[in-house]
Amino acid sequence: AQRVTQPEKLLSVFKGAPVELKCNYSYSGSPELFWYVQYSRQRLQLLLRHISRESIKGFTADLNKGETSFHLKKPFAQEEDSAMYYCARTFSGGYNKLIFGAGTRLAVHP
Amino acid sequence: GAGVSQSPSNKVTEKGKDVELRCDPISGHTALYWYRQSLGQGLEFLIYFQGNSAPDKSGLPSDRFSAERTGGSVSTLTIQRTQQEDSAVYLCASSLVQGYSYEQYFGPGTRLTVT
Repeated sequence: AQRVTQPEKLLSVFKGAPVELKCNYSYSGSPELFWYVQYSRQRLQLLLRHISRESIKGFTADLNKGETSFHLKKPFAQEEDSAMYYCARTFSGGYNKLIFGAGTRLAVHP
Repeated sequence: GAGVSQSPSNKVTEKGKDVELRCDPISGHTALYWYRQSLGQGLEFLIYFQGNSAPDKSGLPSDRFSAERTGGSVSTLTIQRTQQEDSAVYLCASSLVQGYSYEQYFGPGTRLTVT
């Protein structure tokens, strides 16, 4: 089955500490990988995608095909980074849909 | 431009009643998705539309759930004979399927409470 695994439900860090939110995906085809973020009382929105190789709000994510991982990293966490983060992959099978992980709640404390 | 809109934003209904949830996607987006987000849970895929057809209904939890999309635009998710376990936030998303672009744009959700 095609799946995305986010092993941590909650990640709690102090401001200024490095952050790594883990994401592993099942190998099937050549999926596109995404990170979505949901801030409190806001709608779910795209944070970044692997194909763009960009850094958004200081976050980066590197696709490691050997380990089938797409971990999200930030060297210095800020309080405003506190949110729910979802990793997602494209579905390999002809349908243009995304498969989401269960999400990790990041809590950044002052 | 306008994003994905959903209505109502909140719905409280009695167990056993039918409810209809509406999604208005971004104009021109051919793909439309429904998800459910239960308390403490992640995103649960329900159904996917490409145009007016639904090639993937695999996520609908029971035959009490159905959805349609007309004119390649607005979609309605209907839950018949609601149960308490149907209480959740129902999210709609749309995407412009073009090349390798699968970015989904989400609506604000409808919070359904079944009493």
